[in-house]
Amino acid sequence: KNQVEQSPQSLIILEGKNCTLQCNYTVSPFSNLRWYKQDTGRGPVSLTIMTFSENTKSNGRYTATLDADTKQSSLHITASQLSDSASYICVVSDRGSTLGRLYFGRGTQLTVWP
Amino acid sequence: EADIYQTPRYLVIGTGKKITLECSQTMGHDKMYWYQQDPGMELHLIHYSYGVNSTEKGDLSSESTVSRIRTEHFPLTLESARPSHTSQYLCASTNRGSSGRLVEQFFGPGTRLTVL
Repeated sequence: KNQVEQSPQSLIILEGKNCTLQCNYTVSPFSNLRWYKQDTGRGPVSLTIMTFSENTKSNGRYTATLDADTKQSSLHITASQLSDSASYICVVSDRGSTLGRLYFGRGTQLTVWP
Repeated sequence: EADIYQTPRYLVIGTGKKITLECSQTMGHDKMYWYQQDPGMELHLIHYSYGVNSTEKGDLSSESTVSRIRTEHFPLTLESARPSHTSQYLCASTNRGSSGRLVEQFFGPGTRLTVL
């Protein structure tokens, strides 16, 4: 069964600290993995997209890693800011040229305290 | 920031009312989608369209219907709203993938629907 599991479910950190969010998937065949940030009451916004051949991709203070062999990905946030408080969603696609089927995780709810 | 819009952003209505959630995008995308999302849960695909006059049901059974008369417009309609329809509804569209360029999905801000 194709699934995307994220951990932790929720996380509270202090402003300025780093954190790492995890994503494990069983989607096959695998095409690409995306991390989205979703602010409360808003739609998800794309942070990174990685294909099978990519191990890491950065977007400012956000760095995503991918291990296609173990089917694991992580999103590392450096020097967290209050505006990082949001839900972070891992999404795996099983095809590339067309959007194919998207499998969504339930997200990790991150809260950054001052 | 993607040019995809949803109205209304928030809607509180009584049971039995007919409602239409609007979604429009100005990017010329052929493919559009409707997702339903409950708090703390993953997004569930309820409808999608690959172009004008094309509509398909998604993975999650939904009593809503959609239409695609124009490329830029993909409204969702509930003929008779019920409390079980209370949820967040997200509209999305995708660009065309091409050589060396991955398909990207852009989301609207969502409509938070509450049926009393």
